[in-house]
Amino acid sequence: AQSVAQPEDQVNVAEGNPLTVKCTYSVSGNPYLFWYVQYPNRGLQFLLKYITGDNLVKGSYGFEAEFNKSQTSFHLKKPSALVSDSALYFCAVRDFFTGGGNKLTFGTGTQLKVEL
Amino acid sequence: GAGVSQSPSNKVTEKGKDVELRCDPISGHTALYWYRQSLGQGLEFLIYFQGNSAPDKSGLPSDRFSAERTGGSVSTLTIQRTQQEDSAVYLCASSSDPHRALRDTGELFFGEGSRLTVL
Repeated sequence: AQSVAQPEDQVNVAEGNPLTVKCTYSVSGNPYLFWYVQYPNRGLQFLLKYITGDNLVKGSYGFEAEFNKSQTSFHLKKPSALVSDSALYFCAVRDFFTGGGNKLTFGTGTQLKVEL
Repeated sequence: GAGVSQSPSNKVTEKGKDVELRCDPISGHTALYWYRQSLGQGLEFLIYFQGNSAPDKSGLPSDRFSAERTGGSVSTLTIQRTQQEDSAVYLCASSSDPHRALRDTGELFFGEGSRLTVL
């Protein structure tokens, strides 16, 4: 079975400071990992993904994430946070090689609040 | 349409009534997913349709929940005899061929959801 954990319900950061939103995963094969963002009363929007290759992946709006196989983590990062980054962030995983199906398994989400 | 369209955007119903939620995916997308988002529970997978294959219903929480996809396009999620614990936002997403999409673009396209409140 595949799963992801987002240990923080909420992350608060001051504008201009770096931000990190944590995610750890559990799969029996090789993971496909994703980050999505949800703004209030909106659907989810894709930010970035890790499939294979470079462990540091870059995505939309200046976000990046680092895949760490030994720590089974895929933390989302941004060097300088903006107030407009305030939203709900979801990590997701798909276990492609062990027939996890074509569905993504999502974490419980982390509310990011960026303050002036 | 340009994106995934869901209706109604809000639905308030009484306990015991049946409800239908509709999803119109992006034209040409062969895969369609339903998820449920409850407060503090993240996104819960419900059901997945891919082309003409049998749907993956492994996430449906009870036999009160069912979904169909007619003509490989529009999907309807039906909840019979609604209960208060069914209150949630029901999200629909679509993608092109999932093997290609998740490998190459990683992207599911989500609608804005249908918020269901059961009184």
